[in-house]
Amino acid sequence: DGGITQSPKYLFRKEGQNVTLSCEQNLNHDAMYWYRQDPGQGLRLIYYSQIVNDFQKGDIAEGYSVSREKKESFPLTVTSAQKNPTAFYLCASSITATYGYTFGSGTRLTVV
Amino acid sequence: AQKVTQAQTEISVVEKEDVTLDCVYETRDTTYYLFWYKQPPSGELVFLIRRNSFDEQNEISGRYSWNFQKSTSSFNFTITASQVVDSAVYFCALTPSDNFNKFYFGSGTKLNVKP
Repeated sequence: DGGITQSPKYLFRKEGQNVTLSCEQNLNHDAMYWYRQDPGQGLRLIYYSQIVNDFQKGDIAEGYSVSREKKESFPLTVTSAQKNPTAFYLCASSITATYGYTFGSGTRLTVV
Repeated sequence: AQKVTQAQTEISVVEKEDVTLDCVYETRDTTYYLFWYKQPPSGELVFLIRRNSFDEQNEISGRYSWNFQKSTSSFNFTITASQVVDSAVYFCALTPSDNFNKFYFGSGTKLNVKP
């Protein structure tokens, strides 16, 4: 079945450590996205990529980095510069954004 | 400025009741798209509907219906004869023509359907 796979589902990080969240899709979608969700809030865009080797900052890119070396993969690194990284992270992809997104099942990151 | 407001934080209904989830949006763009997504406890957002700014036709899909009114900048979602499986958080989202890659999500409405 086609879809988006995010791993791991739960992730614990010590303060000061970088951590990478995986996102893989087999939908042949060109565009991929990372969103952050905090309790009681909507989703906020971190980064997006419309094609391989190109990505753009979203509204809350500080403290995060991404790469897009393959069409299928769009990993997100949460760096130690991110002051409040505990959140639910959702990856999405689309053929074109106006068609809407297909979302992964998310990674819940907790800083301990 | 782009903004989506879902004023209802949480709604509780008894099974078989009808329920309407409100969504009000702000945008200066004349071309935009509106969406509704459902987020069950598993966490994954599921696409429900897309509507573009030039199509004010209301839509019905089974027990779901949507009322898009540009005059009031609203895109409300009604579930008829609610079921326990409808329990989830529902998000309304806007993407405007200045950058279709940026979605603006409301804060979500948590719907609890009790048996």
